[in-house]
Amino acid sequence: GEDVEQSLFLSVREGDSSVINCTYTDSSSTYLYWYKQEPGAGLQLLTYIFSNMDMKQDQRLTVLLNKKDKHLSLRIADTQTGDSAIYFCAERTGFQKLVFGTGTRLLVSP
Amino acid sequence: DTEVTQTPKHLVMGMTNKKSLKCEQHMGHRAMYWYKQKAKKPPELMFVYSYEKLSINESVPSRFSPECPNSSLLNLHLHALQPEDSALYLCASSPQRELITEAFFGQGTRLTVV
Repeated sequence: GEDVEQSLFLSVREGDSSVINCTYTDSSSTYLYWYKQEPGAGLQLLTYIFSNMDMKQDQRLTVLLNKKDKHLSLRIADTQTGDSAIYFCAERTGFQKLVFGTGTRLLVSP
Repeated sequence: DTEVTQTPKHLVMGMTNKKSLKCEQHMGHRAMYWYKQKAKKPPELMFVYSYEKLSINESVPSRFSPECPNSSLLNLHLHALQPEDSALYLCASSPQRELITEAFFGQGTRLTVV
């Protein structure tokens, strides 16, 4: 199957950490991605992780991958109001196809 | 130039119209993609072109017709669309035939079918 599930909504205060979770079902996925989409805009790649890794850190972003549970998370440290957006996880299935999660709307309040 | 440029940004068309969406990249990428994103939903793959040849068609209705005239350009020809085809159409490109690191997305064309 190709279902990728995310919680719908997350609300945090500015300066707090945000954790967005994702569960995927295709155990053969080799690359997993996090994209950000602001209102009315396209998709911006934030980071990706290869399936043989369990953690990747990139400035304020930390990705954790639990292959056994097929669980992926994105932690944003020191969340800012500019981080308010919809966040999609995505898995690569086959050579060329990205299957996106349902998306999590992050709202950061001052 | 690290951009994928889509035109137009917005398009309103009637069900009997014929229109085209255009996507351009000058990064030398060899794979280009069309995704469709309905409101409050994730993007869904429609078509993939590799080296200017159609490599994936996700059972898209024939009223959507893709075309890749050269390695920098990807078109999506639209004909006899239905109101339920209203969506954000996203183009993307990636460096190689195999999607390894990332796909660069354009800003999308917001299509409304009336």
